[in-house]
Amino acid sequence: EAGVVQSPRYKIIEKKQPVAFWCNPISGHNTLYWYRQNLGQGPELLIRYENEEAVDDSQLPKDRFSAERLKGVDSTLKIQPAELGDSAVYLCASSRDRLSEAFFGQGTRLTVV
Amino acid sequence: QKEVEQDPGPLSVPEGAIVSLNCTYSNSAFQYFMWYRQYSRKGPELLMYTYSSGNKEDGRFTAQVDKSSKYISLFIRDSQPSDSATYLCAMSESTGNQFYFGTGTSLTVIP
Repeated sequence: EAGVVQSPRYKIIEKKQPVAFWCNPISGHNTLYWYRQNLGQGPELLIRYENEEAVDDSQLPKDRFSAERLKGVDSTLKIQPAELGDSAVYLCASSRDRLSEAFFGQGTRLTVV
Repeated sequence: QKEVEQDPGPLSVPEGAIVSLNCTYSNSAFQYFMWYRQYSRKGPELLMYTYSSGNKEDGRFTAQVDKSSKYISLFIRDSQPSDSATYLCAMSESTGNQFYFGTGTSLTVIP
């Protein structure tokens, strides 16, 4: 069974440019999470989806961040415009439901210069 | 004050040593406690999961929770070079709620 797939693995952009990350969860997993992990820190939840509904997005900086999960499968996280402080690893995770174990992808390492 | 505090290390031990990793927390409502292992440039993977106070053992790994002290530990016996990774504690008030991660402890096991 394939795990959570994220792309790209690495992205370097200039500040004020837009960037998008893509996540394909494990087949059959209804719950999808986006986390941000700063260097030397633990992951912090940005948004959680139950199917296509965003049920917890209180930590998402909505002025520049947006996310979508059309059809309740793949998800995209976007930043526009990016700032230097957005440099981090963006992790996607999925679980069968909100009570089950979450499996993480390898993450997208974003560097904003 | 952060919800979860974890000594970032780094921790370096010889192969075969017993390793003790710890986290403290401030929220007395936390009931679910997890330990994740994260290899370099990989996502975290769940290692141990415990509910409320007590011990849980899985092979060379033992997780302990002391809710009265708001303190959790992960012990690794007979540590191996393959255990070299960052270990993250995480906890939540209930299943399905947001869980909060510690900063992670970097462990290196020297052959």
